[in-house]
This record gives sequence, structure tokens and C-alpha cells, in this order.
Amino acid sequence: GQNIDQPTEMTATEGAIVQINCTYQTSGFNGLFWYQQHAGEAPTFLSYNVLDGLEEKGRFSSFLSRSKGYSYLLLKELQMKDSASYLCAVTDSNYQLIWGAGTKLIIKP
Amino acid sequence: GAVVSQHPSWVICKSGTSVKIECRSLDFQATTMFWYRQFPKQSLMLMATSNEGSKATYEQGVEKDKFLINHASLTLSTLTVTSAHPEDSSFYICSARGTSGIYEQYFGPGTRLTVT
Repeated sequence: GQNIDQPTEMTATEGAIVQINCTYQTSGFNGLFWYQQHAGEAPTFLSYNVLDGLEEKGRFSSFLSRSKGYSYLLLKELQMKDSASYLCAVTDSNYQLIWGAGTKLIIKP
Repeated sequence: GAVVSQHPSWVICKSGTSVKIECRSLDFQATTMFWYRQFPKQSLMLMATSNEGSKATYEQGVEKDKFLINHASLTLSTLTVTSAHPEDSSFYICSARGTSGIYEQYFGPGTRLTVT
């Protein structure tokens, strides 16, 4: 079966750094997405990785290791507005998007 | 670019009535659209995949006769919740997939349905 695992909830302090991990087992791989979802709102696109390595975009970075079926989202200089759920999703061989359950990130002052 | 709209943004209806939700890709053509449902504090649940001009593919456990999906054009898909019940109250989100590049899904803002 297809499976994506990520922690249910994480807590971090404003100004700090947090890493949200995602492991996946899917039938084929055509890329991995990270989305941010604030409560009561639709998800918004954060990043996309299809090759191994680190993609940096401002305060957010995303890493991928295809051989390990592993990705992480790194958030630096955390702000209160970063409190949200972060969803990991993998595109399989049929270009279907398989979603993780999401990680709720709580930022404390 | 890549904007998806949904209408209405929220709706309250009485039990037993039907509600139609529209999803439009405003500045691109979307051959594939997706309908999700999300209950409070839970993850996105894919309900169905809608391809323009063909029947939707429903996920296991989703009643196709209750959740009618029509994707009549490359920019519009509709979800009709028929004979709504209070347990259908949820946040319904559509997304549209681009036709090139990384096949990212662009999400609409969602529709909050409350059935009384």
C-alpha cells in the first residue's frame, strides 16, 4: 500500500528552527510537495522536490532523499504566523497525489 | 497565475436539501480537478478525481449518488451534495491540477457547509 508518515504535532519557540520529517512508501515517485494549511483555510503550496538535495526558499527549505524515501521541511526564524499544519504529499507513478495526515506546528512566544 | 475559486465560501442548508459547490480555474485550463473534504482537526480526505468530459473517479467509501460531480468544461467542476444530512457538514475543498510542469495542485479557498 501507499503510506506517508509525518509527526502529528510539534512545538517550537518563536525565532527558533524546526524540522518536520516525512517518510513515504509509494508506488513510483514523481515528486514531493509540502503545503501549509492554516486552520479553516485551504492548503497553500510551499515547495516541491523531485531530485535529491536541498531546495531553499527564504526561511523555508525542503530536503529530499529518494533512496531513503525521506524528506524534511526546515523552517528558520520561526514567526507566530508559522503556526499551521504542514502537509507532505507525494506524486506517485500515476501522478496521483498521496497525502500525509499533516503535522500541526505550534509556535510559542 | 494559477488561481482557483470556489463558490459559495460558506453555506447553511436544511437537512434533506441539495447544495451545489462550484470550482473554477480562473487563469488556466484544468483537465483534472479534485474534491476533498476535511473535518475539524483532521487531514484532507480525497473524495473524487474529476476529469473534464468523463465520469469522476470516487474514492472508496464515498457515495457517488450522494456526491454528484460534473466537470463539463476545462475551467469548471461542480460538486452537488444531495439530500444533505448534518453529518455532511464539513469543509469542502477543490483543487485543480496544471497540465504541465510539476503537476502541482492549486487549491480553491474551500466551502464550509453546515447542514441543520
